[in-house]
Amino acid sequence: EVQLVESGGGLVKPGRSLRLSCAASGFTFGDYGMGWFRQAPGKGLEWVGFIKKKIHGGTTEYAASVRGRFTISRDDSKSIAYLQMNSLKTEDTAVYYCSRGISMSGFSRFDPWGQGTLVTVSS
Amino acid sequence: DIQMTQSPPSLSASVGDRVTITCRASQRINSYLNWYQHTPGMAPKLLIYAASSLQSGVPSRFSGSGSGTHFTLTISSLQPEDFATYYCQQSFSTAALTFGGGTKVEIK
Repeated sequence: EVQLVESGGGLVKPGRSLRLSCAASGFTFGDYGMGWFRQAPGKGLEWVGFIKKKIHGGTTEYAASVRGRFTISRDDSKSIAYLQMNSLKTEDTAVYYCSRGISMSGFSRFDPWGQGTLVTVSS
Repeated sequence: DIQMTQSPPSLSASVGDRVTITCRASQRINSYLNWYQHTPGMAPKLLIYAASSLQSGVPSRFSGSGSGTHFTLTISSLQPEDFATYYCQQSFSTAALTFGGGTKVEIK
């Protein structure tokens, strides 16, 4: 069974850092890109960023709202994707989800998704 | 960034009803459009990709259509487990993925 499990969330003060992990199982992790998303309280889904698979350079893309503060990385030997969040702001408070990126014939989509981990940024 | 606008923001419907949700893109995105279902406390779930392709394991009462800037998600006969929030997402601009604001489907 394909499964993604996020961890590392918690309460953190503004300006501090936090690293989230996304542990994957049930598929060959290195064959896929991985995406991070979030949902702030009372808001909709928001894309955070994406890391391509190594054969495609392992490059990253980020939403403008987190660019320069957040960094996505991956450890294919452990089947884990990471989201390093620095200089956190109160508006970063959200449930963070990871998801497997699937690309076929140029059409990309995300499936499955993890259950999410809550990050609360507050003094 | 490409703006995605969903309508309505919410709707009330009964079990067995036919439900249609609309998603409009601020520029042409061909068929680079996905639909997701999100129930509170659960993982979001992919329903439709490439505007009209049904994701494996998703019931056939869900269907998607459209191309260019106008897309629809239709649930042919609403079931109790379908009460959730639905989001469209464009994958045309892969460096700046964007979602619609969501449509909450509630029980009438």
